[in-house]
Amino acid sequence: AQTVTQSQPEMSVQEAETVTLSCTYDTSENNYYLFWYKQPPSRQMILVIRQEAYKQQNATENRFSVNFQKAAKSFSLKISDSQLGDTAMYFCAFIIIQGAQKLVFGQGTRLTINP
Amino acid sequence: DAGITQSPRHKVTETGTPVTLRCHQTENHRYMYWYRQDPGHGLRLIHYSYGVKDTDKGEVSDGYSVSRSKTEDFLLTLESATSSQTSVYFCAISDQVSNTGELFFGEGSRLTVL
Repeated sequence: AQTVTQSQPEMSVQEAETVTLSCTYDTSENNYYLFWYKQPPSRQMILVIRQEAYKQQNATENRFSVNFQKAAKSFSLKISDSQLGDTAMYFCAFIIIQGAQKLVFGQGTRLTINP
Repeated sequence: DAGITQSPRHKVTETGTPVTLRCHQTENHRYMYWYRQDPGHGLRLIHYSYGVKDTDKGEVSDGYSVSRSKTEDFLLTLESATSSQTSVYFCAISDQVSNTGELFFGEGSRLTVL
């Protein structure tokens, strides 16, 4: 079974600080994608960043970057220069490329950025 | 934004009544999904569809059925709603042709079963 674990239910940092959200996953497959989704209070699911498992280079999107450790099955999200608008639930997820593409989610981390 | 519309957006119903949630897409994507979101569980897959009349179960399918008679519509039915089905339900679609793996989500439907 494919599983995703986010061990930090809640985190809180001051504006402009850097914060890292943890995620581990379990799969016996080799070809998959990993994602971080953001869910603000509006409830909309927003893709933050995406990583292909076959790529060794860590993905970056502006202030967002990941630390992908394939052997350890770890996929953490780093948010630099955090902003008030980053306050949201963050979900780690992965999807197997072959067959039906079913996205498997972690439990989520509620991140609060304080002014 | 991907063209996904969920209806209704909010519904309150009583235990034992049937409920149908509708997901409508304008993207002509092959894959459609229904997830439920509950505190402490993230999003869990209920059912998904990989084409017209082709559906399969997810990890929390008990008490739910789905139908897809047209590419653009994916219906989720609770035959006899229970309080444990109080949740926020998300529809999602996927373009397997581009194979980016990304799912696009609707805005969610909040269902309360009293």
